Amino acid sequence: QVQLQESGPGLVKPSQTLSLDCTVSGGSLTRGNYYWNWLRQPAGKTLEWIGRVYSNGYTNYNPSLKSRVTISLDTSKNQFSLRLNSVTAADTAVYYCARYRSSWSFDHWGQGALVTVS
Amino acid sequence: DIQMTQSPSSLSASVGDRVTIICQARQDITYSLSWFQQLPGKAPKLLIYDASNLETGVPSRFSGSGSGTDFTFSINGLRPEDVGTYFCQQYRDLPYTFGQGTKVET
Repeated sequence: QVQLQESGPGLVKPSQTLSLDCTVSGGSLTRGNYYWNWLRQPAGKTLEWIGRVYSNGYTNYNPSLKSRVTISLDTSKNQFSLRLNSVTAADTAVYYCARYRSSWSFDHWGQGALVTVS
Repeated sequence: DIQMTQSPSSLSASVGDRVTIICQARQDITYSLSWFQQLPGKAPKLLIYDASNLETGVPSRFSGSGSGTDFTFSINGLRPEDVGTYFCQQYRDLPYTFGQGTKVET
């Protein structure tokens, strides 16, 4: 059973860079036809897709965040990472990593990591 | 971006009731729609994919239908453990987008 787990600082200062890792267990990042994604959810609001990375390192980003986002793979650790720079209070949210399977959408999720910008 | 509109934003129903949620896409997304359940303080959980397919292990009281721009999600026989927020999401085009959510209470 695939499991995902987010990790990283819970507090980031304005104008600095938010960095989170997602460790995948029970399956390899490089096997299967999956995309590995980051999403976020401000308190009381809906979910926002941030971007995704494929097993070959190919990425897609939400245009609304593209100028500030980098998603990358570390296959040696079976992890993928999110970096969001120049953060403001509007970036305060629970950040989720999730696996996307074609025609299934997001079928496995991490438990979420609250990141506060203050 | 493809805008997804869900209604109602919240509802209150009794245990055993049938609950129905509507999701509309601004443009044709064929069958590329999923439904998620988010229990309080938890990550979303996939219930329905490709508009009407039940994810493995999900109880059969949950169902989905529709295609194109209009979709429906139902809980046939609401149970206390179903209290939470339900989201629709399109994956026809990037960026993936979600509805605003429907909070279901008893």
